Amino acid sequence: EVQLVESGGGLVQPGASLKLSCVASGFTFSDYWMSWVRQTPGKTMEWIGDIKYDGSYTNYAPSLKNRFTISRDNAKSTLYLQMSNVRSEDTATYYCTRDHVEWGQGVMVTVSS
Amino acid sequence: DVVMTQTPVSLSVAIGQPASISCKSSQSLVGTSGKTYLNWLLQRPGQSPKRLIYLVSKLDSGIPDRFSGSGSETDFTLKISRVEADDLGVYYCLQGTHFPFTFGSGTKLEIK
Repeated sequence: EVQLVESGGGLVQPGASLKLSCVASGFTFSDYWMSWVRQTPGKTMEWIGDIKYDGSYTNYAPSLKNRFTISRDNAKSTLYLQMSNVRSEDTATYYCTRDHVEWGQGVMVTVSS
Repeated sequence: DVVMTQTPVSLSVAIGQPASISCKSSQSLVGTSGKTYLNWLLQRPGQSPKRLIYLVSKLDSGIPDRFSGSGSETDFTLKISRVEADDLGVYYCLQGTHFPFTFGSGTKLEIK
């Protein structure tokens, strides 16, 4: 059974940094591109970016590219999202997904002072 | 970015009746490969999204054939031939042709 489990969310102050993780199981992680998607409290869905199966290439939403970094550790079957200089508008539930078929349960990030 | 305009915002449908959701893109979703990367997802209350349809009309594994997708270029439709109680939730279209990938704003399906 495919499982994606996100962690690392919580309450964070504006301007801070945060790193989310997504541990994958039930499939060969190193064979797949992986993505991050977020959903705002108003339920708007936003694609953040993705990373090639070997970690050699990434794509980002231009509006987030300067502050968000996607990486992966195939030995640990783990996907990461490094968020820096966070803003209130980054408040959302963050999902990792494989091909938009398999999704994690999501992790909430709240940016507030 | 490609803008995905989804209508209606919500619809209320009786069990056994059909439902239809439209998604229009601001530019053609035909990729350089000739494929059209248009997906439909369903997010049930309290759950993560789940993909139902990919490449406009292909059903994901386990998705009942009550669901169908159609369309081309910039105009796409998701149809449910006979709504069941389990179909309630928010439906999103998602284009995967042009970076950044973009979602429609969602259509909330309620059971009448």
